[in-house]
Amino acid sequence: AQKITQTQPGMFVQEKEAVTLDCTYDTSDQSYGLFWYKQPSSGEMIFLIYQGSYDEQNATEGRYSLNFQKARKSANLVISASQLGDSAMYFCAMREPNSGYSTLTFGKGTMLLVSP
Amino acid sequence: DTEVTQTPKHLVMGMTNKKSLKCEQHMGHRAMYWYKQKAKKPPELMFVYSYEKLSINESVPSRFSPECPNSSLLNLHLHALQPEDSALYLCASSLDADLSLTDTQYFGPGTRLTVL
Repeated sequence: AQKITQTQPGMFVQEKEAVTLDCTYDTSDQSYGLFWYKQPSSGEMIFLIYQGSYDEQNATEGRYSLNFQKARKSANLVISASQLGDSAMYFCAMREPNSGYSTLTFGKGTMLLVSP
Repeated sequence: DTEVTQTPKHLVMGMTNKKSLKCEQHMGHRAMYWYKQKAKKPPELMFVYSYEKLSINESVPSRFSPECPNSSLLNLHLHALQPEDSALYLCASSLDADLSLTDTQYFGPGTRLTVL
């Protein structure tokens, strides 16, 4: 069963507008971590923001914020004031226990295109 | 500094060649990872090293051989690869692979591998 679901294969937004990228997750664990990464066409995976399952407040990092709704098991990424450089693939990921360690499971990603 | 470096950036090899990918980090991280990423897909975990010991092997074919000479270096030795092994190979590191769900993975820029 897919543990991270990103239902938007592609999103379009105009420069300076805000955009929300959806992410839902499935886990039976009480303790887990949620991450968002950005991957430009160059290939590097850039860490954007983290939300812990016990964090009561939504995480924010500059123009990025995470809309965390634990009961709904959703962790949507909000990008405010989009810029042309935000055009990239965005992955939601969950860190969970794996064979005595903890590893990341990624969603399929959402391609964001920002137009002038 | 959250820099992970990878060399080479691009690699083209024949099916009978032997080559190596190199990854380096100087953040004092004790966990290092290899991922394989096909075009338009999320990264897939291949190996995890924790404190220089192989901790997780996600049933990767033996033509891929990882090595961790020290805590800062991670190699991936390639031998007798197939064309379907062509992909972006990403290295990542984190402070600790042990059950720390808050641990953030930082990725390198990747090596684009083409097998002819």
